[in-house]
Amino acid sequence: EVQLVESGGDLVQPGGSLRLSCAASGFIFNTYAMTWVRQAPGKGLEWVSVISGSGDKTYYADSVGGRFTISRDTSKNTLYLQMNSLRAEDTAVYYCAKDLFVSSGWTAYFDSWGQGTLVTVSS
Amino acid sequence: QSALTQPASVSGSPGQSITISCTGTSSDIGRYTYVSWYQHHPGRAPKLIIYDVSYRPSGISDRFSGSKSGKTASLTISGLQAEDEADYYCSSFTTSSTLVFGGGTKLTVL
Repeated sequence: EVQLVESGGDLVQPGGSLRLSCAASGFIFNTYAMTWVRQAPGKGLEWVSVISGSGDKTYYADSVGGRFTISRDTSKNTLYLQMNSLRAEDTAVYYCAKDLFVSSGWTAYFDSWGQGTLVTVSS
Repeated sequence: QSALTQPASVSGSPGQSITISCTGTSSDIGRYTYVSWYQHHPGRAPKLIIYDVSYRPSGISDRFSGSKSGKTASLTISGLQAEDEADYYCSSFTTSSTLVFGGGTKLTVL
């Protein structure tokens, strides 16, 4: 059974940094692209970033590009999101999600999701 | 990249059918078949219900179906059930190699 467990969410001041983690199990981690999606309070889903299974391809939403960095550690079966220069508008529940299919890039379909971790950016 | 356009809310009675539209641009829905739909009950993880415009993942009821015409994708739920009440999001791959979601549609089962 696929399991994704996010952690690292916290209250942080504007301009601060935070690193989110997503521990994965139940599948061959380095064969699937992994994605971060967020949901601000009372708002809809927003795609944040994706990393290919091998880690050689990464893409970001315009809203976080240059501030966030996605990475993965195959030896730990863990996905990360390093968030710098945080803004109030980054406040959201952050979900990690697994691609539906094995691919060299990513498929843009997410069949397994974690329960999310809350990031609050406020002074 | 602007969000895809969905109606804020739709409603229907048990047993009826409803359709949710999702309108994009020539840079996303109009360009690709990489369109998917997610069901999201608040407080729970989103669930993939349609991918590649009209395919259902294993375990998803055939009451859910998807289609696309031009820049607009649609999700139809037939035989509405109380447990279908949730938020529904469309998404599409884009020419920037990114993903864009719709704003979400709240489905109320009357």
